[in-house]
Amino acid sequence: NAGVTQTPKFQVLKTGQSMTLQCAQDMNHEYMSWYRQDPGMGLRLIHYSVGAGITDQGEVPNGYNVSRSTTEDFPLRLLSAAPSQTSVYFCASSSDRNVYGYTFGSGTRLTVV
Amino acid sequence: AQTVTQSQPEMSVQEAETVTLSCTYDTSENNYYLFWYKQPPSRQMILVIRQEAYKQQNATENRFSVNFQKAAKSFSLKISDSQLGDTAMYFCAFLLNDMRFGAGTRLTVKP
Repeated sequence: NAGVTQTPKFQVLKTGQSMTLQCAQDMNHEYMSWYRQDPGMGLRLIHYSVGAGITDQGEVPNGYNVSRSTTEDFPLRLLSAAPSQTSVYFCASSSDRNVYGYTFGSGTRLTVV
Repeated sequence: AQTVTQSQPEMSVQEAETVTLSCTYDTSENNYYLFWYKQPPSRQMILVIRQEAYKQQNATENRFSVNFQKAAKSFSLKISDSQLGDTAMYFCAFLLNDMRFGAGTRLTVKP
């Protein structure tokens, strides 16, 4: 049981490049979310999913795409990286958010130059 | 959309003393859930305590307790007998359709 696994842990991108941040969980959790953490702003919700095939936008979805083709995986795609997307990205999952809240991955630190 | 406000960017407390972190939120809904998360320097997010809005009784987990004032939309965290290991960022979170976080309070426990 590995929990929530995020890859890579660190990434440097050039402006305009695209990439995918991977998130996988082996706990059969229905709920998954992506957050970004910036100094002084806490965690802001990018996209979330309540089950395979279902996704919805959060507070700051622009510039990001997600899909949920399986219960286990919830990748986050940066379409054309911008310096404003420099941040720490967290993926989280839950079987029942009301009871357990979210279990978080260890984060991906992304720098866009 | 729900908003969560943590008005104390930084706080400090002496070891073994008690400290209270503030959190307010804005919603027109009646049934929701509230959480406090801890983020130590390791960056890992750790659930500290949760509260159901329909329960009047305040949640308690060992040295951690909350003061939930539903009418005032306030959800503060009290840490008793503070320990050096409590040094961390603390985030308040509100759950309805999705989970939203406050900006966080950086707590330092001084020896």
